[in-house]
Amino acid sequence: AQSVTQLGSHVSVSEGALVLLRCNYSSSVPPYLFWYVQYPNQGLQLLLKYTSAATLVKGINGFEAEFKKSETSFHLTKPSAHMSDAAEYFCAVSEFGNEKLTFGTGTRLTIIP
Amino acid sequence: EAQVTQNPRYLITVTGKKLTVTCSQNMNHEYMSWYRQDPGLGLRQIYYSMNVEVTDKGDVPEGYKVSRKEKRNFPLILESPSPNQTSLYFCASRTERSNEKLFFGSGTQLSVL
Repeated sequence: AQSVTQLGSHVSVSEGALVLLRCNYSSSVPPYLFWYVQYPNQGLQLLLKYTSAATLVKGINGFEAEFKKSETSFHLTKPSAHMSDAAEYFCAVSEFGNEKLTFGTGTRLTIIP
Repeated sequence: EAQVTQNPRYLITVTGKKLTVTCSQNMNHEYMSWYRQDPGLGLRQIYYSMNVEVTDKGDVPEGYKVSRKEKRNFPLILESPSPNQTSLYFCASRTERSNEKLFFGSGTQLSVL
Protein backbone atom coordinates (compact mmCIF):
# COMPACT_ATOMS: atom_id res chain seq x y z
CA ALA A 1 0.00 0.00 0.00
CA GLN A 2 1.22 3.46 -0.82
CA SER A 3 1.81 6.08 1.86
CA VAL A 4 3.55 9.38 2.42
CA THR A 5 5.27 10.79 5.50
CA GLN A 6 6.05 14.48 5.81
CA LEU A 7 8.51 15.22 8.59
CA GLY A 8 7.74 18.45 10.37
CA SER A 9 4.24 19.86 10.44
CA HIS A 10 5.68 23.38 10.79
CA VAL A 11 8.88 24.77 9.30
CA SER A 12 10.15 28.33 9.74
CA VAL A 13 12.95 29.84 7.68
CA SER A 14 14.31 33.34 7.30
CA GLU A 15 13.72 35.25 4.11
CA GLY A 16 16.57 34.43 1.73
CA ALA A 17 17.45 31.16 3.47
CA LEU A 18 17.24 27.66 2.05
CA VAL A 19 13.86 25.94 2.18
CA LEU A 20 13.87 22.18 2.75
CA LEU A 21 10.60 20.28 3.20
CA ARG A 22 10.91 16.55 3.71
CA CYS A 23 8.82 13.79 2.17
CA ASN A 24 9.30 10.04 2.36
CA TYR A 25 7.09 7.60 0.55
CA SER A 26 6.20 3.95 0.55
CA SER A 27 5.13 2.20 -2.63
CA SER A 28 5.21 -1.37 -3.89
CA VAL A 29 5.76 -0.24 -7.49
CA PRO A 30 7.55 2.73 -9.04
CA PRO A 31 5.61 5.73 -7.82
CA TYR A 32 4.37 8.99 -9.20
CA LEU A 33 5.20 11.76 -6.73
CA PHE A 34 3.76 15.23 -6.44
CA TRP A 35 4.16 18.38 -4.40
CA TYR A 36 1.14 20.62 -4.07
CA VAL A 37 0.95 24.05 -2.42
CA GLN A 38 -2.04 25.59 -0.66
CA TYR A 39 -2.11 29.34 -0.10
CA PRO A 40 -4.48 30.69 2.55
CA ASN A 41 -8.14 30.30 1.66
CA GLN A 42 -7.39 28.61 -1.64
CA GLY A 43 -7.43 25.16 -3.15
CA LEU A 44 -4.28 23.18 -3.83
CA GLN A 45 -2.17 23.75 -6.91
CA LEU A 46 0.60 21.64 -8.36
CA LEU A 47 4.19 22.72 -7.71
CA LEU A 48 5.93 19.84 -9.47
CA LYS A 49 5.71 16.13 -10.18
CA TYR A 50 7.95 13.12 -10.75
CA THR A 51 6.73 10.49 -13.20
CA SER A 52 9.83 8.34 -13.84
CA ALA A 53 11.71 10.70 -16.15
CA ALA A 54 14.49 12.90 -14.71
CA THR A 55 15.08 12.40 -10.98
CA LEU A 56 15.61 16.12 -10.39
CA VAL A 57 12.36 17.88 -11.07
CA LYS A 58 11.96 21.63 -11.39
CA GLY A 59 8.67 23.27 -10.60
CA ILE A 60 7.10 26.66 -10.40
CA ASN A 61 8.29 29.57 -8.25
CA GLY A 62 11.90 28.29 -8.08
CA PHE A 63 11.11 25.04 -6.26
CA GLU A 64 12.67 21.72 -7.13
CA ALA A 65 12.65 18.18 -5.77
CA GLU A 66 14.89 15.18 -6.19
CA PHE A 67 13.61 11.60 -6.36
CA LYS A 68 15.95 9.29 -4.44
CA LYS A 69 14.86 5.69 -4.75
CA SER A 70 17.47 4.37 -2.30
CA GLU A 71 16.16 6.72 0.39
CA THR A 72 12.49 6.57 -0.71
CA SER A 73 12.50 10.34 -0.51
CA PHE A 74 11.23 13.27 -2.55
CA HIS A 75 12.28 16.35 -0.60
CA LEU A 76 11.28 19.82 -1.79
CA THR A 77 13.87 22.60 -1.86
CA LYS A 78 14.23 26.25 -2.81
CA PRO A 79 17.57 28.02 -2.55
CA SER A 80 16.24 31.34 -1.30
CA ALA A 81 12.93 31.76 0.53
CA HIS A 82 10.60 34.61 -0.32
CA MET A 83 7.79 35.99 1.80
CA SER A 84 5.30 34.83 -0.83
CA ASP A 85 6.34 31.20 -0.20
CA ALA A 86 4.43 31.14 3.09
CA ALA A 87 1.83 28.41 2.58
CA GLU A 88 1.05 24.79 3.36
CA TYR A 89 2.81 22.16 1.28
CA PHE A 90 1.58 18.65 0.62
CA CYS A 91 3.49 15.69 -0.75
CA ALA A 92 1.43 13.02 -2.53
CA VAL A 93 2.00 9.62 -4.12
CA SER A 94 0.15 7.53 -6.66
CA GLU A 95 0.99 4.48 -8.71
CA PHE A 96 0.54 3.44 -12.31
CA GLY A 97 -2.81 1.71 -12.62
CA ASN A 98 -3.94 2.89 -9.19
CA GLU A 99 -6.43 5.73 -9.23
CA LYS A 100 -5.83 6.64 -5.62
CA LEU A 101 -3.68 9.66 -4.76
CA THR A 102 -2.47 9.59 -1.16
CA PHE A 103 -1.52 12.87 0.52
CA GLY A 104 0.81 13.51 3.39
CA THR A 105 -0.36 15.48 6.42
CA GLY A 106 1.18 18.69 5.16
CA THR A 107 3.93 21.10 6.25
CA ARG A 108 3.14 24.71 7.04
CA LEU A 109 5.99 26.96 5.92
CA THR A 110 6.48 30.29 7.69
CA ILE A 111 8.92 32.88 6.37
CA ILE A 112 10.60 35.12 8.93
CA PRO A 113 11.35 38.66 7.66
CA GLU B 1 -10.65 29.48 -18.14
CA ALA B 2 -10.08 25.92 -16.93
CA GLN B 3 -11.59 25.54 -13.51
CA VAL B 4 -13.31 23.41 -10.90
CA THR B 5 -16.23 25.20 -9.30
CA GLN B 6 -17.60 24.26 -5.89
CA ASN B 7 -20.63 25.69 -4.18
CA PRO B 8 -21.28 26.89 -1.59
CA ARG B 9 -18.03 28.34 -0.27
CA TYR B 10 -19.28 28.29 3.32
CA LEU B 11 -22.10 26.27 4.84
CA ILE B 12 -23.46 26.06 8.36
CA THR B 13 -26.10 23.46 9.06
CA VAL B 14 -27.57 21.39 11.87
CA THR B 15 -27.28 17.71 12.60
CA GLY B 16 -29.47 15.54 10.39
CA LYS B 17 -30.40 18.12 7.77
CA LYS B 18 -29.56 16.76 4.32
CA LEU B 19 -27.22 18.87 2.23
CA THR B 20 -25.49 18.77 -1.14
CA VAL B 21 -22.20 20.37 -2.14
CA THR B 22 -21.95 20.84 -5.88
CA CYS B 23 -18.85 20.44 -8.01
CA SER B 24 -18.48 21.17 -11.70
CA GLN B 25 -15.47 21.13 -14.04
CA ASN B 26 -15.17 22.57 -17.55
CA MET B 27 -12.14 20.57 -18.74
CA ASN B 28 -13.91 17.40 -19.90
CA HIS B 29 -11.98 15.44 -17.28
CA GLU B 30 -12.79 11.78 -16.75
CA TYR B 31 -11.63 11.60 -13.14
CA MET B 32 -13.23 13.53 -10.28
CA SER B 33 -12.72 13.18 -6.56
CA TRP B 34 -13.77 14.57 -3.19
CA TYR B 35 -11.39 15.17 -0.29
CA ARG B 36 -11.80 16.44 3.22
CA GLN B 37 -9.06 18.40 4.93
CA ASP B 38 -8.68 18.34 8.70
CA PRO B 39 -5.87 19.83 10.81
CA GLY B 40 -3.05 17.35 11.33
CA LEU B 41 -4.62 14.80 8.99
CA GLY B 42 -3.94 16.33 5.60
CA LEU B 43 -6.32 15.50 2.76
CA ARG B 44 -8.27 12.28 2.87
CA GLN B 45 -10.18 10.95 -0.10
CA ILE B 46 -13.93 10.44 0.35
CA TYR B 47 -15.08 9.17 -3.06
CA TYR B 48 -13.82 9.27 -6.58
CA SER B 49 -15.22 8.68 -10.05
CA MET B 50 -13.44 7.45 -13.15
CA ASN B 51 -16.26 8.45 -15.50
CA VAL B 52 -20.02 8.80 -15.80
CA GLU B 53 -21.85 6.27 -13.63
CA VAL B 54 -18.54 4.91 -12.26
CA THR B 55 -17.82 5.77 -8.63
CA ASP B 56 -15.75 4.16 -5.89
CA LYS B 57 -15.01 4.64 -2.20
CA GLY B 58 -11.93 6.41 -0.97
CA ASP B 59 -10.48 6.25 2.52
CA VAL B 60 -13.33 7.88 4.48
CA PRO B 61 -16.64 7.28 2.65
CA GLU B 62 -18.89 6.72 5.68
CA GLY B 63 -21.73 9.21 5.88
CA TYR B 64 -21.31 10.49 2.32
CA LYS B 65 -22.85 9.75 -1.07
CA VAL B 66 -21.90 10.82 -4.57
CA SER B 67 -23.31 10.54 -8.05
CA ARG B 68 -21.89 11.04 -11.54
CA LYS B 69 -24.77 11.39 -13.94
CA GLU B 70 -22.96 13.88 -16.16
CA LYS B 71 -19.27 14.08 -16.91
CA ARG B 72 -18.88 17.64 -15.68
CA ASN B 73 -20.71 17.31 -12.33
CA PHE B 74 -19.86 15.35 -9.20
CA PRO B 75 -22.02 16.39 -6.23
CA LEU B 76 -21.27 15.33 -2.66
CA ILE B 77 -24.32 14.46 -0.58
CA LEU B 78 -24.55 14.29 3.20
CA GLU B 79 -27.89 12.65 3.92
CA SER B 80 -27.72 13.08 7.70
CA PRO B 81 -24.78 15.30 8.62
CA SER B 82 -23.12 14.93 12.00
CA PRO B 83 -20.69 17.23 13.85
CA ASN B 84 -17.72 14.98 12.97
CA GLN B 85 -18.30 15.93 9.33
CA THR B 86 -17.36 19.51 10.09
CA SER B 87 -14.42 20.00 7.77
CA LEU B 88 -13.00 21.75 4.71
CA TYR B 89 -14.02 19.90 1.54
CA PHE B 90 -12.31 19.98 -1.83
CA CYS B 91 -13.41 18.69 -5.19
CA ALA B 92 -10.74 17.90 -7.76
CA SER B 93 -10.53 16.63 -11.32
CA ARG B 94 -7.96 15.39 -13.80
CA THR B 95 -7.68 13.37 -16.98
CA GLU B 96 -7.85 9.56 -16.76
CA ARG B 97 -4.08 9.27 -16.37
CA SER B 98 -2.96 8.92 -12.75
CA ASN B 99 0.34 10.74 -13.42
CA GLU B 100 -1.49 13.91 -14.39
CA LYS B 101 -2.08 16.77 -11.99
CA LEU B 102 -5.27 17.37 -10.10
CA PHE B 103 -7.18 20.62 -10.52
CA PHE B 104 -8.77 21.67 -7.25
CA GLY B 105 -11.80 23.75 -6.45
CA SER B 106 -11.59 26.57 -3.90
CA GLY B 107 -13.10 24.51 -1.13
CA THR B 108 -16.26 24.37 0.95
CA GLN B 109 -16.02 25.04 4.67
CA LEU B 110 -18.79 23.02 6.32
CA SER B 111 -19.86 23.39 9.94
CA VAL B 112 -22.39 20.94 11.38
CA LEU B 113 -23.86 22.10 14.68
